[in-house]
Amino acid sequence: DAKTTQPTSMDCAEGRAANLPCNHSTISGNEYVYWYRQIHSQGPQYIIHGLKNNETNEMASLIITEDRKSSTLILPHATLRDTAVYYCIVNIKTGNNNDMRFGAGTRLTVKP
Amino acid sequence: EAGVVQSPRYKIIEKKQPVAFWCNPISGHNTLYWYLQNLGQGPELLIRYENEEAVDDSQLPKDRFSAERLKGVDSTLKIQPAELGDSAVYLCASSRQQGWEQFFGPGTRLTVL
Repeated sequence: DAKTTQPTSMDCAEGRAANLPCNHSTISGNEYVYWYRQIHSQGPQYIIHGLKNNETNEMASLIITEDRKSSTLILPHATLRDTAVYYCIVNIKTGNNNDMRFGAGTRLTVKP
Repeated sequence: EAGVVQSPRYKIIEKKQPVAFWCNPISGHNTLYWYLQNLGQGPELLIRYENEEAVDDSQLPKDRFSAERLKGVDSTLKIQPAELGDSAVYLCASSRQQGWEQFFGPGTRLTVL
């Protein structure tokens, strides 16, 4: 079973920020939060990951709560091409228990 | 840099037939993964290689599935014999090391009739 809970679907207006929540209340101290997305008929694409601190890259920002039990992926200016399924995953980074469990993800639809 | 290459992209076979999928990871990536993705669900890990060694194959149905990565580069996943329930997308991914970001190929869509 996936260790995260995400809404099944979300809509966002083009040009607005898309905020995708993820609950991971059983996260362990050595587990990172990863986000991937999957555009229709393509393989998943890595977006960002973090441990405790907020992270930002050219694609998105990741906000992790202080207790690390939830996080939010932010796409600052969503475009139609951001329509995809977004997966939030918690996983250790090294070791034999490394196991990326994707779950069903959130289907984000960006509308014109 | 070239991405992860998979072939074929689509495969249709009759049940009980064998099928093989091929994956060429990104050059220099030591870790290779095979995932299975059913319609409407996220990918599920089948097997993970560190170089040529399978370090996690606990989810691979070993009665009919096999995989190899003989020289620590490209890899083959085989199903013999295929069953109707094997219809899915088979994804290959690679990463520079375990725990680093994974790069996925486009997948092979298998249909078993």
